[in-house]
Amino acid sequence: EIVLTQSPGTLSLSPGERATLSCRASESVSSSYLAWHQQKPGQAPRLLIYGASSRASGIPDRFSGSGSARDYTLTISRLEPEDSAVYYCQSWRTSYTFGQGTKLEIK
Amino acid sequence: QVQLVESGGGVVQPGRSLRLSCAASGFTFSNYAMHWVRQAPGKGLEWVAIISYDENKKYYADSVKGRFTIARDNSKNTLYLQMNSLRTEDTAMYYCAREDRRGWFFFDFWGQGTRVTVSS
Repeated sequence: EIVLTQSPGTLSLSPGERATLSCRASESVSSSYLAWHQQKPGQAPRLLIYGASSRASGIPDRFSGSGSARDYTLTISRLEPEDSAVYYCQSWRTSYTFGQGTKLEIK
Repeated sequence: QVQLVESGGGVVQPGRSLRLSCAASGFTFSNYAMHWVRQAPGKGLEWVAIISYDENKKYYADSVKGRFTIARDNSKNTLYLQMNSLRTEDTAMYYCAREDRRGWFFFDFWGQGTRVTVSS
């Protein structure tokens, strides 16, 4: 079973700045199998990105994903206060697994 | 629009049982694999179980194998999770989630969750 390690654990940025969130897999995974989910406080998770770089329906183009093999990145440009959330990467290799999450705080 | 509504959570003593339900609407339920994912208080997401669209295949996380059973009734558009021999570490919010049909193993819609507390 793969392990997904996200960094940083917490990120504190100002509105308008760019956020870069990292997800590293313990072994190579197909980019088709890498997704990102957003969870705002008190809410259920929501799919942001699938296939490493494809935005889910209704997701603003400020959100973008990239990467391959073991290293994947979620980039949020032009941060807005509503982007405060925990972001999880998720993948599959014999089982479904999540990273531990990155908490994004907007100052 | 796709809706997943969980129910059945509550407070239960260790060793007892509980059955969760997830009512689906807004899509053809019988065409999709479905999952349960949980989140302990203040913790991250943990995948629990999957059932194929036709209920022929079921897989579980090691942490629940032999204690939890996932099931579905396609005639009622409902997903279930039977939880037996509950432990304090099963305390969590339980979400049902739909798996996308591309075969890329990701969750495209989530319910709002139902809370399970295992405590004496």
